[in-house]
Amino acid sequence: GAVVSQHPSRVICKSGTSVKIECRSLDFQATTMFWYRQFPKQSLMLMATSNEGSKATYEQGVEKDKFLINHASLTLSTLTVTSAHPEDSSFYICSATQTGAPGNTIYFGEGSWLTVV
Amino acid sequence: GEDVEQSLFLSVREGDSSVINCTYTDSSSTYLYWYKQEPGAGLQLLTYIFSNMDMKQDQRLTVLLNKKDKHLSLRIADTQTGDSAIYFCAESLTGGGNKLTFGTGTQLKVEL
Repeated sequence: GAVVSQHPSRVICKSGTSVKIECRSLDFQATTMFWYRQFPKQSLMLMATSNEGSKATYEQGVEKDKFLINHASLTLSTLTVTSAHPEDSSFYICSATQTGAPGNTIYFGEGSWLTVV
Repeated sequence: GEDVEQSLFLSVREGDSSVINCTYTDSSSTYLYWYKQEPGAGLQLLTYIFSNMDMKQDQRLTVLLNKKDKHLSLRIADTQTGDSAIYFCAESLTGGGNKLTFGTGTQLKVEL
């Protein structure tokens, strides 16, 4: 079946550095992907909608210059956390919908744990 | 904006049924979903229901939808220790594409 893969699954970085997380749809094309963030013991909050070939749409309160999203192909979206700080430590997870499929086929990646030290 | 609420915690004995409840405020939902998240893991889609349905059964899982009251529930029959996890309901809205609004999550603990 369709699979969405995220990489890396876990990453530790130093404060002030940038880290990139990839979200790939492995056997289908996705013109739209979504990035969510989950703090420990909390729910998932939508950060942004990643649109292939155009700018991402960010949710209110999410800094677009800090969380850079690039969706350069129909199978890959990347989230770059720039100048990371400890408060950016979180679980980041993406989702993708198979183009042309009904709305029920939303696939999530395995998620990426980011720890900023 | 939309708001999706769940009770935080549920404890049941192995073999009993579990019922996890969810309320939402936006009436323009198209699909409603139930996801399971085990510690340190991603999201596993359990089941979903289209907004024009009022019930869906899938093996041990039964989803009930009351659109009038904006209430969604997930019943797990014969609950097992492997069902211990956090359960999230989520909704996608008409015209919202496939972005989801998640509930606050219910931690299910299954005791022997």
